[in-house]
Amino acid sequence: KQEVTQIPAALSVPEGENLVLNCSFTDSAIYNLQWFRQDPGKGLTSLLLIQSSQREQTSGRLNASLDKSSGRSTLYIAASQPGDSATYLCAAPSGSARQLTFGSGTQLTVLP
Amino acid sequence: EPEVTQTPSHQVTQMGQEVILRCVPISNHLYFYWYRQILGQKVEFLVSFYNNEISEKSEIFDDQFSVERPDGSNFTLKIRSTKLEDSAMYFCASTRTPPNSPLHFGNGTRLTVT
Repeated sequence: KQEVTQIPAALSVPEGENLVLNCSFTDSAIYNLQWFRQDPGKGLTSLLLIQSSQREQTSGRLNASLDKSSGRSTLYIAASQPGDSATYLCAAPSGSARQLTFGSGTQLTVLP
Repeated sequence: EPEVTQTPSHQVTQMGQEVILRCVPISNHLYFYWYRQILGQKVEFLVSFYNNEISEKSEIFDDQFSVERPDGSNFTLKIRSTKLEDSAMYFCASTRTPPNSPLHFGNGTRLTVT
């Protein structure tokens, strides 16, 4: 059974800092890993999907890496902005590719 | 950009009542899902649906739950007799071709059972 852990649970940084969010998963036989953003009371917005054959995926100021052998993924946010404040969730497939197991998330606050 | 839409955004119901949560997935997507998030807890998988039948379901998805695609656009989750512990945010999601395409979520329906 897949288990996903995210650290830290919360992070507060001043605007402009680069930061790293961590995700670990127990079952490394995954097809992909997905990072989401969740704003309070809202749905989940897909940020990046990394296939198992890739090591990195980039979108704007976001860069996600995947190391299947160690069961880890990181989300790097460059030059953070107050608008980046949200909860960031990582999710890995469990069983088949059709079911995602989510971590508890990292609640990010970027201070102006 | 196309998006998954869910209605209603908030539903309050009394224990024992039936509720139907509605979703319109992205039009060219083929796989549909329901997830839920109890306040302060992780997002949990409920059920996946493809080709007009359930592909997978979790332990949470017991006989009180059912899903249906009544027409070419809607995807519904029915809870037959709600319990207090069914209070949660329910998210609908869709994707075109897992595992190669990302999962897109709606904004959710907050279900409150009193």
